[in-house]
Amino acid sequence: NAGVTQTPKFRVLKTGQSMTLLCAQDMNHEYMYWYRQDPGMGLRLIHYSVGEGTTAKGEVPDGYNVSRLKKQNFLLGLESAAPSQTSVYFCASSFLRGLNNEQFFGPGTRLTVL
Amino acid sequence: AQTVTQSQPEMSVQEAETVTLSCTYDTSENNYYLFWYKQPPSRQMILVIRQEAYKQQNATENRFSVNFQKAAKSFSLKISDSQLGDTAMYFCAFMKRIQGAQKLVFGQGTRLTINP
Repeated sequence: NAGVTQTPKFRVLKTGQSMTLLCAQDMNHEYMYWYRQDPGMGLRLIHYSVGEGTTAKGEVPDGYNVSRLKKQNFLLGLESAAPSQTSVYFCASSFLRGLNNEQFFGPGTRLTVL
Repeated sequence: AQTVTQSQPEMSVQEAETVTLSCTYDTSENNYYLFWYKQPPSRQMILVIRQEAYKQQNATENRFSVNFQKAAKSFSLKISDSQLGDTAMYFCAFMKRIQGAQKLVFGQGTRLTINP
């Protein structure tokens, strides 16, 4: 099993450009999450999904859109990138709803917006 | 609001020593889970240990153990016989219920360096 994978690993954008980050998991997990990590801070939740075709806003959703067309994939889109979106983005997934369920993380995508 | 605070931005110890990382949290919930995640230079987030709030016994995983003080809302991580491979950022996290799912609320992290 590959676990949780993220594409790309690194990306540099200019202000106003758009891009999509792809997250894929092969563990048949229902729940998927997008977090961002900024210096001096822990991870913060951007959007999440509780199943195919469903998405919901997290703590810091502004400027991002997501889609979950297939159970194994969760896409994070930036329509018009801004320097404030420079960050490391992590995707995570978990099997069941429950406070004890481990979230499995991807390796992260480092995004720089100039 | 649930918050997680890690008051030690950086720590450094010698190999084979024992080190304790501090974490405090704030919640009004009665049952919850707490986690410690390790993030080495590779950036991969790795679960180190988890603790269920209503279990009084402290969780242990090999060289890693926690000191969970529910009344004080404290959740510290102890690493015994530290190894060079323990060098990493360590994040304390609280699992919070959100609509239809749950999310992790992270502290700011502690950068731990193990020196040879």
